[in-house]
Amino acid sequence: DQQVKQNSPSLSVQEGRISILNCDYTNSMFDYFLWYKKYPAEGPTFLISISSIKDKNEDGRFTVFLNKSAKHLSLHIVPSQPGDSAVYFCAASRRGAGNNRKLIWGLGTSLAVNP
Amino acid sequence: SAVISQKPSRDICQRGTSLTIQCQVDSQVTMMFWYRQQPGQSLTLIATANQGSEATYESGFVIDKFPISRPNLTFSTLTVSNMSPEDSSIYLCSVHNGGEQYFGPGTRLTVT
Repeated sequence: DQQVKQNSPSLSVQEGRISILNCDYTNSMFDYFLWYKKYPAEGPTFLISISSIKDKNEDGRFTVFLNKSAKHLSLHIVPSQPGDSAVYFCAASRRGAGNNRKLIWGLGTSLAVNP
Repeated sequence: SAVISQKPSRDICQRGTSLTIQCQVDSQVTMMFWYRQQPGQSLTLIATANQGSEATYESGFVIDKFPISRPNLTFSTLTVSNMSPEDSSIYLCSVHNGGEQYFGPGTRLTVT
């Protein structure tokens, strides 16, 4: 049962254009969402996050949009650069017992930005 | 931030043997996490390791198969015991620090 779904395993865009990576979730109890980027032979690195009390969070070229009614979030990268080529993971969490948070991960989307 | 190193970075092991993966963090952290990512799968949490107490395992993972040590606030080990080809995976160490989660570079394990 995949609670966090990234339905596009790969995406290819031209340098300078917008990259849109999508993520859907099924558990309405999730209240915090994160995007991670992963290069080959490295661990995932945190990119941007959004709390469920917001519908948008922006950090430079990266913007995350959250649509709670649709249980959908998206990551926009504008303008896309070749160095953005990586696997992008969507993750969701909710506060658990003892105030701990457990991350539930999507399968990832491999982004290729072509020069 | 937190800088995490893992050893080994990769290994090829024979069925039935065990491998211990080491994780070192550059700062003291209360909780350390061990994940695995099997081919074509998402990251899956194996267990949470707190210093001075038993690790907490997620459903589907047991201590006999994945014993964990947490001797201090900067170090942990995960052992993959009695390995089978199904254990071929990337194993990742992770910590929470300053409200964010950081990952090590991973250990790529291949079991033949």
